[in-house]
Amino acid sequence: AQSVTQPDIHITVSEGASLELRCNYSYGATPYLFWYVQSPGQGLQLLLKYFSGDTLVQGIKGFEAEFKRSQSSFNLRKPSVHWSDAAEYFCAVGAVFDGMRFGAGTRLTVKP
Amino acid sequence: NAGVTQTPKFQVLKTGQSMTLQCAQDMNHEYMSWYRQDPGMGLRLIHYSVGAGITDQGEVPNGYNVSRSTTEDFPLRLLSAAPSQTSVYFCASSYSKQGSSPLHFGNGTRLTVT
Repeated sequence: AQSVTQPDIHITVSEGASLELRCNYSYGATPYLFWYVQSPGQGLQLLLKYFSGDTLVQGIKGFEAEFKRSQSSFNLRKPSVHWSDAAEYFCAVGAVFDGMRFGAGTRLTVKP
Repeated sequence: NAGVTQTPKFQVLKTGQSMTLQCAQDMNHEYMSWYRQDPGMGLRLIHYSVGAGITDQGEVPNGYNVSRSTTEDFPLRLLSAAPSQTSVYFCASSYSKQGSSPLHFGNGTRLTVT
């Protein structure tokens, strides 16, 4: 079965600084990869997804992620963080006929 | 368009009590699922359904039952609540079980078992 690792439990960045959240996956074939964001007290919202093709994908709210097959990674980036980006971020990998598995999440704190 | 609706938002149970968490979606999705979210563990799949009348177990099914009598509804039942079931529960749906299909989530139910 597929698995997902998010090495960073908690990250703090200053407003306006750049952000990179790490995600590594394990899966025997080309995976379907997703990033979701969870604001406090809310459900998860899809930020972006990768299926195939261009390895740099753009999402909502100015986020992007890059798929690197050689490193089994799908890191999420944003050039300039806003206070409203404070949330928990989940990486997920989907497999054909096996549903979706989530990482443990990374909590982002934004300093003013 | 309501999407995925979960009720209640909060619930406190005593050990041994039973309850049903409700989930409804209005997107005509075939696939529905229940996850629990615990600190440091991400979301873990409890049960899922690929259509009316079809359900299956996920990673952590023990202590929970589900049924799917209609496309829209997918309730989760706790027959005898235990403190280990204290968690936040999310219902999610998508148009198929295949891993390429993004999930649409409800806003969650925070359950405390004392």
